[in-house]
Amino acid sequence: GAVVSQHPSWVICKSGTSVKIECRSLDFQATTMFWYRQFPKQSLMLMATSNEGSKATYEQGVEKDKFLINHASLTLSTLTVTSAHPEDSSFYICSARDSGTDSYSGANVLTFGAGSRLTVL
Amino acid sequence: DAKTTQPPSMDCAEGRAANLPCNHSTISGNEYVYWYRQIHSQGPQYIIHGLKNNETNEMASLIITEDRKSSTLILPHATLRDTAVYYCIVRPNYGGATNKLIFGTGTLLAVQP
Repeated sequence: GAVVSQHPSWVICKSGTSVKIECRSLDFQATTMFWYRQFPKQSLMLMATSNEGSKATYEQGVEKDKFLINHASLTLSTLTVTSAHPEDSSFYICSARDSGTDSYSGANVLTFGAGSRLTVL
Repeated sequence: DAKTTQPPSMDCAEGRAANLPCNHSTISGNEYVYWYRQIHSQGPQYIIHGLKNNETNEMASLIITEDRKSSTLILPHATLRDTAVYYCIVRPNYGGATNKLIFGTGTLLAVQP
C-alpha cells in the first residue's frame, strides 16, 4: 500500500533556529501534499496545501513566511519552521494522495506520515 | 465541507463490536463519508468510506442511513490495539487541491480488557 515517510520523527532545537521537516511518498507520486499541526489533546489543524511546482496554499491564520513549504518533486515536500519559538512546539503531520489514482473509482484516500514532533527550547 | 458531530468518547469491551456514530445532517449529494483513526502519537490511518451504500472491508463496516444524515462505523471484534481517536469526515470524492481533509474532534474509543 501507499506509504508516506516523514523525517525527522522528532527534533529538539533552540529558540530562534530553523527546522526542516521532510515528507516523502515512497511508492507513489503526489502532486499535492498537505501539512497539519496538532497540539496535545487537540485535533489536527490543516496548515497548508503543498502543490508540486507551484506555491503552497496556506489556511487562514497560518503565516507563510513562518512556515515555508517547498514541493520540488512529485515525491517530496518540505516544511521549514523559521525562527522557531516555544509556541511552535507541536506534532507536525503530512499527508499525500496518489496522483495516479482514479478519483472516481472511490480511491480518493489520503495517506499520512507518522508525524514529526518538534520541541523548541 | 459539511460538519459532523461525534460523541467525544466511548468505551468498548475487548472482543465485542464497537459502534461509533456520526451525524452529518447537512451532507450534500456529492459528499462521501470517510472514517480515519489516529492511534496515540501516530499519523491518522484511513479506515473506510462510502456514499450511500453500506461498505465493508477488512478493518470495519460502514452503515449509512437512507437519508444519509448519519452513519455508524462498526469494528466487529474490537481489540486493545483499536484504542484510538476515530474521525468521521464528509467531503467530495474528487482529487485536486480541494481534496483536503478537515478534522473535527472525533471520538476517543477506549477498548477495555
